[in-house]
Amino acid sequence: ELKVEQNPLFLSMQEGKNYTIYCNYSTTSDRLYWYRQDPGKSLESLFVLLSNGAVKQEGRLMASLDTKARLSTLHITAAVHDLSATYFCAVDIWLADKLIFGTGTRLQVFP
Amino acid sequence: GAGVSQSPRYKVAKRGQDVALRCDPISGHVSLFWYQQALGQGPEFLTYFQNEAQLDKSGLPSDRFFAERPEGSVSTLKIQRTQQEDSAVYLCASSSRIASSAFYGYTFGSGTRLTVV
Repeated sequence: ELKVEQNPLFLSMQEGKNYTIYCNYSTTSDRLYWYRQDPGKSLESLFVLLSNGAVKQEGRLMASLDTKARLSTLHITAAVHDLSATYFCAVDIWLADKLIFGTGTRLQVFP
Repeated sequence: GAGVSQSPRYKVAKRGQDVALRCDPISGHVSLFWYQQALGQGPEFLTYFQNEAQLDKSGLPSDRFFAERPEGSVSTLKIQRTQQEDSAVYLCASSSRIASSAFYGYTFGSGTRLTVV
């Protein structure tokens, strides 16, 4: 059974600091997704990572994928309050046609 | 139109009542998914359609849950005899695997928040 684990589950960080969220998964995957969810809202797609070594950046967020290690990271650079949200990674297995989500990381950025 | 549309946004049901949740996917997306998200948890897979065919319903928690997509477009998730443990946000997603698509990957709707009292 595919398992997707994120750590940390909760992250409280000061504005201006850097941090990394880790996403480990237990089986071969074709694609990895990162989503952001604000309280009471739906899932906003941040990144789609399609191959080993893929790196994507948008603003203060950068995501990478290492399929050999079955690991993806979401790096936050110089955090700002607007980044406060819950971040989910999700793994897509082509033949299974389903997206399996990680446990989520709740990020709070304070002044 | 653009995006995945779900209705209603909120639903309060008395225990034992039947409910129906609607999902209108992105036009042209053949794949449609339903997820259940309990408070403070990640979304969990319920079921998957390709066009009108339900190819995977392994995540449906009980036989009180039923989903259909009769014409391969709009889908309805029905929950019979609702119980308190059914309280959650129900998310619908449609997907495209066409790399050039503006909606490549999975696009989620705003969800229906179901509260069973």
